[in-house]
Amino acid sequence: DQQVKQNSPSLSVQEGRISILNCDYTNSMFDYFLWYKKYPAEGPTFLISISSIKDKNEDGRFTVFLNKSAKHLSLHIVPSQPGDSAVYFCAVRDSGGSNYKLTFGKGTLLTVNP
Amino acid sequence: NAGVTQTPKFQVLKTGQSMTLQCAQDMNHNSMYWYRQDPGMGLRLIYYSASEGTTDKGEVPNGYNVSRLNKREFSLRLESAAPSQTSVYFCASSAVGYSNQPQHFGDGTRLSIL
Repeated sequence: DQQVKQNSPSLSVQEGRISILNCDYTNSMFDYFLWYKKYPAEGPTFLISISSIKDKNEDGRFTVFLNKSAKHLSLHIVPSQPGDSAVYFCAVRDSGGSNYKLTFGKGTLLTVNP
Repeated sequence: NAGVTQTPKFQVLKTGQSMTLQCAQDMNHNSMYWYRQDPGMGLRLIYYSASEGTTDKGEVPNGYNVSRLNKREFSLRLESAAPSQTSVYFCASSAVGYSNQPQHFGDGTRLSIL
């Protein structure tokens, strides 16, 4: 059973507009949430994270929102740029289990059109 | 600064052959991980090593063995390769596991088993 779901396999937006990527999780014991970006033929690279004690974290054009009651995580990219086109994975850490293990969603392919 | 280096980048094996995937990191990280990525499946943890001298099973360990050779190196071995193990394999490392440090990934090994 999937503990982390990214329900949109793909998303297409225009350059300059907002991109919103979503992630839902099932376990309230998850305490740390991350977003990774992956270009073809490269490994995932860390983008931004948020602890469960916060509901928002910002880093430049990237903002992550956490709604614990809804068990929902989202990544906002504003403004979107063509170089943001990549697969985005959300990942979660279980505070009740090993602190070393992350569980990843299946990813969302973002395409930013010029 | 190389980060996480994986060798080889590509490999084709026949069913039943054995193979060792190599991973080395130069960031003085304590924890290291092996993942596989299959189409539409996200990243799934095979094995991890929280620190030098320890290894533990992840989500999909069957058919694999690992060795934490030293602090820098963590290898993944397929003793008798099967077509179901055709995948892209990623190695990752992170600083002390219980802190909120993101995992850093290599660029992957693309493995095909015929």
